[in-house]
Amino acid sequence: GENVGLHLPTLSVQEGDNSIINCAYSNSASDYFIWYKQESGKGPQFIIDIRSNMDKRQGQRVTVLLNKTVKHLSLQIAATQPGDSAVYFCAEVIASGGSNYKLTFGKGTLLTVNP
Amino acid sequence: NAGVMQNPRHLVRRRGQEARLRCSPMKGHSHVYWYRQLPEEGLKFMVYLQKENIIDESGMPKERFSAEFPKEGPSILRIQQVVRGDSAAYFCASSPPNHSGNTIYFGEGSWLTVV
Repeated sequence: GENVGLHLPTLSVQEGDNSIINCAYSNSASDYFIWYKQESGKGPQFIIDIRSNMDKRQGQRVTVLLNKTVKHLSLQIAATQPGDSAVYFCAEVIASGGSNYKLTFGKGTLLTVNP
Repeated sequence: NAGVMQNPRHLVRRRGQEARLRCSPMKGHSHVYWYRQLPEEGLKFMVYLQKENIIDESGMPKERFSAEFPKEGPSILRIQQVVRGDSAAYFCASSPPNHSGNTIYFGEGSWLTVV
């Protein structure tokens, strides 16, 4: 079964608002968590990652929060723009000996930004 | 520096035919991953390869599917005797050697339609 899942399948926000996308995971052995953005007809695009020994990481307009106590991950997008409309996936990176790493993806949240 | 290149982008096959999907990793990357994405689903891990070596094929169906990454040339995902359930987007990702899991980059995908 899946180790990574999402609370909300769809999220609709107004342009300029902040967006929060949530993700739950079950594997405590993950070294990294990564958020990907996938636009229609395209491949997943790396947004931001966070190492398992961190609680928070900020990028340009994005912040990822990691709560290891409840195994919860969130992606916050500030001042959401129409170009942010996409499906967002959280992915769990699990080491498997040496340099063997796999990504396990959740189902995804569709973010729609209304102008 | 070109990204991960996949071809064909779109492929239509009749039931029973063979499908071959190709992936050229980013320059300097020696690891290749294949993922499958069904409509409105997350990406499912299929196989992880290094040059001339399969590292992890735990996500590969037992029959009809095979993957290779030869010393020269692109990685190939081969699906024999395709069925309608094989219709999906197939994504390739690559990473450099000695990576820590957060440098995995995806191609734009190959959309397979079985009619």
